[in-house]
Amino acid sequence: VQLLESGPGLVKPSQTVSLTCTVSGDSISSGNYFWSWIRQSPGKGLEWIGYIYHSGFPHYSPSFQSRVAMSIDTSSNQFSLRLTSVTAADTALYYCVRVLGAYCRNKPCPTGRFDPWGPGTQVTVSS
Amino acid sequence: SYELTQPPSVSVSPGQTARMTCSGDELPKKFAFWYQQKSGQAPVLVFSDDANGPSGIPERFSGSISGTVATLIISETQVDDEGDYFCLSTDSSGNWVFGGGTKLTVL
Repeated sequence: VQLLESGPGLVKPSQTVSLTCTVSGDSISSGNYFWSWIRQSPGKGLEWIGYIYHSGFPHYSPSFQSRVAMSIDTSSNQFSLRLTSVTAADTALYYCVRVLGAYCRNKPCPTGRFDPWGPGTQVTVSS
Repeated sequence: SYELTQPPSVSVSPGQTARMTCSGDELPKKFAFWYQQKSGQAPVLVFSDDANGPSGIPERFSGSISGTVATLIISETQVDDEGDYFCLSTDSSGNWVFGGGTKLTVL
């Protein structure tokens, strides 16, 4: 399985950035996997943004809850991130990642096995 | 918000054992995962203390937990093990949190 992020690169403050992750080598619907976004900036290290299951049901970090949305398109084998009201603090390298799932009380739940990662796409917020 | 605390740097000589810590209040109840990131590359999972899925992790990498401190142990450390190491775990609400990372230097 390989993941590849794509996005606009440069975004103006207060705008919305949309990123897409294209999955190849397997169906995004197969197996018990979650699909996650993580970002990395020099000042804040790795930050988990959220994840989504192949049937939906996103779960977001409280740090991003108010301005993030994730979606999944099984027909295109892609999942997406939408982050609104961006500021310079959102400048970072954004990774998409597959997360191995398990079953918690008979429901799918993510483990901490984040693998594989995409190479990342740089998002720079600047006017 | 929940935090995982890691020392900024650790140094070790080749062939010796490296130990990197990660402290967090939920660690006695939650699994810890460890990622290695080399310069210019995406992180790679090197140790997991849960029992889900296949291992595929080098045997030189192991882990331990004592109270609120999880430790990644690298035996027979090699120069190629240099990089940044991040711990990962969840808070009480199931939100994933990364530690700030530890830079491992082998010299």
